[in-house]
Amino acid sequence: NAGVTQTPKFQVLKTGQSMTLQCAQDMNHNSMYWYRQDPGMGLRLIYYSASEGTTDKGEVPNGYNVSRLNKREFSLRLESAAPSQTSVYFCASSEPTGRHGYTFGSGTRLTVV
Amino acid sequence: GDSVTQMEGPVTLSEEAFLTINCTYTATGYPSLFWYVQYPGEGLQLLLKATKADDKGSNKGFEATYRKETTSFHLEKGSVQVSDSAVYFCALSDRWSGGGSNYKLTFGKGTLLTVNP
Repeated sequence: NAGVTQTPKFQVLKTGQSMTLQCAQDMNHNSMYWYRQDPGMGLRLIYYSASEGTTDKGEVPNGYNVSRLNKREFSLRLESAAPSQTSVYFCASSEPTGRHGYTFGSGTRLTVV
Repeated sequence: GDSVTQMEGPVTLSEEAFLTINCTYTATGYPSLFWYVQYPGEGLQLLLKATKADDKGSNKGFEATYRKETTSFHLEKGSVQVSDSAVYFCALSDRWSGGGSNYKLTFGKGTLLTVNP
């Protein structure tokens, strides 16, 4: 089925460890996004990529890096995980204006201890 | 900057009751408006959308009308079911102020709906 695939679904890290969250879409969308979801905060944009080869910071980029590997794939890296990064992370994709909505992955639940 | 304000939950209703979840927005441009639904343990699914003033989005018995004069996009359903229990997010898509011609989606904080049999 067409959509956005995220891996892993669950992860537990120790403070200071690093990891990369993977995201791939087969919607042929140019734009891709990483959001985090925290209780009572809604979803907040971490980074986005308007097209292959470009990335830009969102509202809460500190502590994260991203790579737009090709049109399909957009990864999020935590270089040195902190407990404040415990969250559910969602990847999404859309056509450039987003006027027809975003397609979301099923999320990665990350716990940093 | 852009913002979305939706009624705080949780909202608890009996089956077949009428549902309204209020949503108002602030935007600098001419945004598209959306309602997303998140079932427990799942990602967000697009429920309905409206791309210009006076448009009505509808899906699965849910409706919302884009009201530019009141900057609102309230979600309604005439008769809710237990299976409608979920978190509902209002959102808008508008130009990203820091990114030139790029667009981003701004979310409200979500409203938890529980429907009891």
